Amino acid sequence: GENVEQHPSTLSVQEGDSAVIKCTYSDSASNYFPWYKQELGKRPQLIIDIRSNVGEKKDQRIAVTLNKTAKHFSLHITETQPEDSAVYFCAASIPDTGRRALTFGSGTRLQVQP
Amino acid sequence: NAGVTQTPKFQVLKTGQSMTLQCAQDMNHNSMYWYRQDPGMGLRLIYYSASEGTTDKGEVPNGYNVSRLNKREFSLRLESAAPSQTSVYFCASSENRGAYGYTFGSGTRLTVV
Repeated sequence: GENVEQHPSTLSVQEGDSAVIKCTYSDSASNYFPWYKQELGKRPQLIIDIRSNVGEKKDQRIAVTLNKTAKHFSLHITETQPEDSAVYFCAASIPDTGRRALTFGSGTRLQVQP
Repeated sequence: NAGVTQTPKFQVLKTGQSMTLQCAQDMNHNSMYWYRQDPGMGLRLIYYSASEGTTDKGEVPNGYNVSRLNKREFSLRLESAAPSQTSVYFCASSENRGAYGYTFGSGTRLTVV
C-alpha cells in the first residue's frame, strides 16, 4: 500500500519567517495530495490540496508544490503568524479508483514564536 | 447543517468491555472513514466504506468491526477493548467522487484501562 513520510516532525520559526514541510510518497499512482491543519484538541481541517496535473498551487500565504518524478510534495507558509501554530498533516490517495482512502503522514508540529 | 457528528466525545473503558462509536453525516456523502490518531503516528485508517453497503479494511483493522447502517451512518465497534486501543478516533466523510475533501468529525477520545 501507500506510504507517506513527512519531515520535520517539529518546526519552530519566528513570526514573519517562512515555514516549509516536506512529504514523500511511495505509490507512483497517487494523484491527489491534500494538506490538513489540526489545532490543539480540534479536528483536522483541509487547508489546501493539489492534483497530479498541477505542479504548484497558491492560496494567499499558503502554497503547495508537487514533483511527481521525485514523488514528493511540500507545503510552504510565508509570513507566518502565531495562529499558524498547529500540527500539519500531508496525505496522498488515488480518489477515482477503488483505492479511495487517504494515507496520512505522521504530522509536523509548527510553532510560530511571536 | 452539522457536517459530521461523532458520539461520544470521551469514553473510559475497562479492558475487555465493548462499545460502539457512532458517526453520522448530513452532507449526502457516499464515502465514510474511521481513523485513529496516536502521538507521532499521524492518522491511521481502520476501516472505510466507499458507498452504502460496502466496507473495507484499512491499515489497522484488528480488534474493530464496522457497520454502514445507511448512507448517513457509519459505526465502529470495539468488541473487547484493550489498552492498545487507547487513542483518539476520527470519523470522516468525502464527496461522491471519492477521497477528495474529507470532512472530519470532532473526534472521540477513548481510554482503555
